[in-house]
Amino acid sequence: GAGVSQSPRYKVAKRGQDVALRCDPISGHVSLFWYQQALGQGPEFLTYFQNEAQLDKSGLPSDRFFAERPEGSVSTLKIQRTQQEDSAVYLCASSFRSFPGQRLTDTQYFGPGTRLTVL
Amino acid sequence: SQELEQSPQSLIVQEGKNLTINCTSSKTLYGLYWYKQKYGEGLIFLMMLQKGGEEKSHEKITAKLDEKKQQSSLHITASQPSHAGIYLCGADILGAGGTSYGKLTFGQGTILTVHP
Repeated sequence: GAGVSQSPRYKVAKRGQDVALRCDPISGHVSLFWYQQALGQGPEFLTYFQNEAQLDKSGLPSDRFFAERPEGSVSTLKIQRTQQEDSAVYLCASSFRSFPGQRLTDTQYFGPGTRLTVL
Repeated sequence: SQELEQSPQSLIVQEGKNLTINCTSSKTLYGLYWYKQKYGEGLIFLMMLQKGGEEKSHEKITAKLDEKKQQSSLHITASQPSHAGIYLCGADILGAGGTSYGKLTFGQGTILTVHP
């Protein structure tokens, strides 16, 4: 596609519900990132995929958060037993860069985000 | 993030005025990105700087990275209402072995309001 797309754009969940957020990266982009943006703050890193491999999940706030990218393209961020503190905008970004440590800097293109509200 | 400080937090200017937003890292940067965000939307890429002393311009926006690669500034000349939004700097921080895979650490953002 022309850009990174995310769905749904808005999600309201009751506390305790499970949610799944989808990201469609730019076609051919190898790297995929998930970020969480709280109101009035900058985005914070959650996890990183190179193709289907999840190489860094150090930013996931708890074991209730799980991300996958099984075929190296579309990615899903799943949050189990949602809590009010999970309310935020979840942003997905993709870039063409293919190797960790490759001495290139590659632009990350962001999707519009999914705004999650947990009641 | 404490690793990246962005200032000011908010800025209100009259149309036609110049302005500068600053971004300071406590660590050496592999790359520094500037993005613009409108409320409820994703981040729009503006510019990326990688080399010490580098300066890039696009239309009325100029970004610079200092020689030590720890400070960057974004300068807007003759601001217009269309420049209003949230400006974010994102740092690709140098990792072990002088490498990086692109994880970005963001500043808090600067909310820019331009009055006509």
